[in-house]
Amino acid sequence: GAGVSQTPSNKVTEKGKYVELRCDPISGHTALYWYRQSLGQGPEFLIYFQGTGAADDSGLPNDRFFAVRPEGSVSTLKIQRTERGDSAVYLCASSPQAGSHVSGEQFFGPGTRLTVL
Amino acid sequence: SQKIEQNSEALNIQEGKTATLTCNYTNYSPAYLQWYRQDPGRGPVFLLLIRENEKEKRKERLKVTFDTTLKQSLFHITASQPADSATYLCALEQRDDKIIFGKGTRLHILP
Repeated sequence: GAGVSQTPSNKVTEKGKYVELRCDPISGHTALYWYRQSLGQGPEFLIYFQGTGAADDSGLPNDRFFAVRPEGSVSTLKIQRTERGDSAVYLCASSPQAGSHVSGEQFFGPGTRLTVL
Repeated sequence: SQKIEQNSEALNIQEGKTATLTCNYTNYSPAYLQWYRQDPGRGPVFLLLIRENEKEKRKERLKVTFDTTLKQSLFHITASQPADSATYLCALEQRDDKIIFGKGTRLHILP
């Protein structure tokens, strides 16, 4: 009965480095979402998966950002050549399926706080 | 341009009173509107969802209204308690299943 988990909880890296952020959704949830949240702002949509495929990646800010979900469960958000502006909390959420038509909610993880020095 | 606006300042409400939070949007046609609660250092937690053809939804001390003509949702917490203090996020779900969040309103319930 575990919820959504994200690792690491905190990541400090240097400008220009590569980072990977992991999300373990609730077992059986087919939809998975990534958001980015800056201080004082609401979560900003990045990408969502329905199963293994990215159904909508229109929120990814540029081609340094990439996400995968190869087996339809765990997802990894990858950021290349990190910049200071990438510093934020990265949130992952899952739901039984995309859209609120059935479940009516997304279940969020605690987030990964990324700091780029 | 598309915008979601929530009460820009923090809201201070005396314990026991009703807190009312506002969510206004422009240039969206959401199929659903959701409200979430977020505590510091945590992910958002779902509270309520209301569909475009519904006017009002209630859950315990919570009530949400949705006026698609005014493009506005109101979120009410009755008999407010200090434990209700948190940031409350409004989120629009579009027909393409993408969910767009507002900035949130910080609510403080004063004992």
